[in-house]
Amino acid sequence: KQEVTQIPAALSVPEGENLVLNCSFTDSAIYNLQWFRQDPGKGLTSLLLIQSSQREQTSGRLNASLDKSSGRSTLYIAASQPGDSATYLCAVRPGGATNKLIFGTGTLLAVQP
Amino acid sequence: DGGITQSPKYLFRKEGQNVTLSCEQNLNHDAMYWYRQDPGQGLRLIYYSQIVNDFQKGDIAEGYSVSREKKESFPLTVTSAQKNPTAFYLCASSWRGSYTEAFFGQGTRLTVV
Repeated sequence: KQEVTQIPAALSVPEGENLVLNCSFTDSAIYNLQWFRQDPGKGLTSLLLIQSSQREQTSGRLNASLDKSSGRSTLYIAASQPGDSATYLCAVRPGGATNKLIFGTGTLLAVQP
Repeated sequence: DGGITQSPKYLFRKEGQNVTLSCEQNLNHDAMYWYRQDPGQGLRLIYYSQIVNDFQKGDIAEGYSVSREKKESFPLTVTSAQKNPTAFYLCASSWRGSYTEAFFGQGTRLTVV
């Protein structure tokens, strides 16, 4: 059974710092991995999608990497800003169950001004 | 603007009542999903639909029902059989297929009073 874990559960950093959020999954048979952002009481905003054949994706200050063989993905945020404060969720689309995303419990990020 | 619209944003239900949550998308996506989010837990899949007039149970379908009469609409009914319905409900959509990106609505918060 595929399980997704995100560590740490919460993270507080000063503004301007570069940071890394971690996501691990137990079964390497995935189609893709998606990173989301969730603000309090809001829906999910898609940040980056990495296909299983890709190693990384970049969007602005965000860079996501994928090491499928080791079951790990990282989300790198450069030069963090208070506006980056939110919960970050990763989700995998498992092989064989094409219409189902399995989510981690998220990392709550606070960027202090 | 293309997107996913969930309504209402807040919903209150009395014990023993059925309530229906609305989800409409204008992205022309084939697949639609309902997830439930509880504090400290990852999102859990309730139901999903890949095409009109077809849907499948997710991991926690008991006490819920859905319909898919139109491509753009996927309403979720929370029945009185659902023992603990208070939660944040999120609707999502994507293209069919294994490598697609999922997009989410802004959510409906359901509270039993």
